[in-house]
Amino acid sequence: NAGVTQTPKFRVLKTGQSMTLLCAQDMNHEYMYWYRQDPGMGLRLIHYSVGEGTTAKGEVPDGYNVSRLKKQNFLLGLESAAPSQTSVYFCASSFTYRVSNTGELFFGEGSRLTVL
Amino acid sequence: GQQVMQIPQYQHVQEGEDFTTYCNSSTTLSNIQWYKQRPGGHPVFLIQLVKSGEVKKQKRLTFQFGEAKKNSSLHITATQTTDVGTYFCAGQSTDMGSNYKLTFGKGTLLTVNP
Repeated sequence: NAGVTQTPKFRVLKTGQSMTLLCAQDMNHEYMYWYRQDPGMGLRLIHYSVGEGTTAKGEVPDGYNVSRLKKQNFLLGLESAAPSQTSVYFCASSFTYRVSNTGELFFGEGSRLTVL
Repeated sequence: GQQVMQIPQYQHVQEGEDFTTYCNSSTTLSNIQWYKQRPGGHPVFLIQLVKSGEVKKQKRLTFQFGEAKKNSSLHITATQTTDVGTYFCAGQSTDMGSNYKLTFGKGTLLTVNP
């Protein structure tokens, strides 16, 4: 049982390049999330999804797009990377039996992105 | 908007000393979760507190949720080197308008001197 898998784990981009981070979960979770983690800033929510075909903005959505075409996958896209997007990106998922209580978040191992 | 403040930002202790991190929300919370992140690792769920005044224990770790459901604490008794890491709280809003937003504190980095 793999849990939450993120690919790639490391990536270096030049300013203006585009890329997609893939998150896959095998726990049949409805909710999926993308966070970024920067030193001293904790975890900040970029976008999230409450089910297949749905997405919503989080705290810091600018410069990112997402898609959830299949329940098990949540993609995070950077259309034109900027140095400010250098960060560690974490995907997470949760079962969320009740919308007012997300329940435990299961995190992937993270993707370290550097934009030069 | 909802803010979750966590203190201290850093704590260095000698092995065997106790450690406490505090979490305060600007609004009443539906529930609060605690996570641990080892250096270079990913956040791992520790516990969730839901009820006002709730206290839960996991071996040397004690978690408390305030009576007003706006603050929480994590206390570690007799720290060990395996406790090293960053501890995050995450509070969930009671506000349906914000889709019951889950907000993470900035974390407390614990280092332990053997």
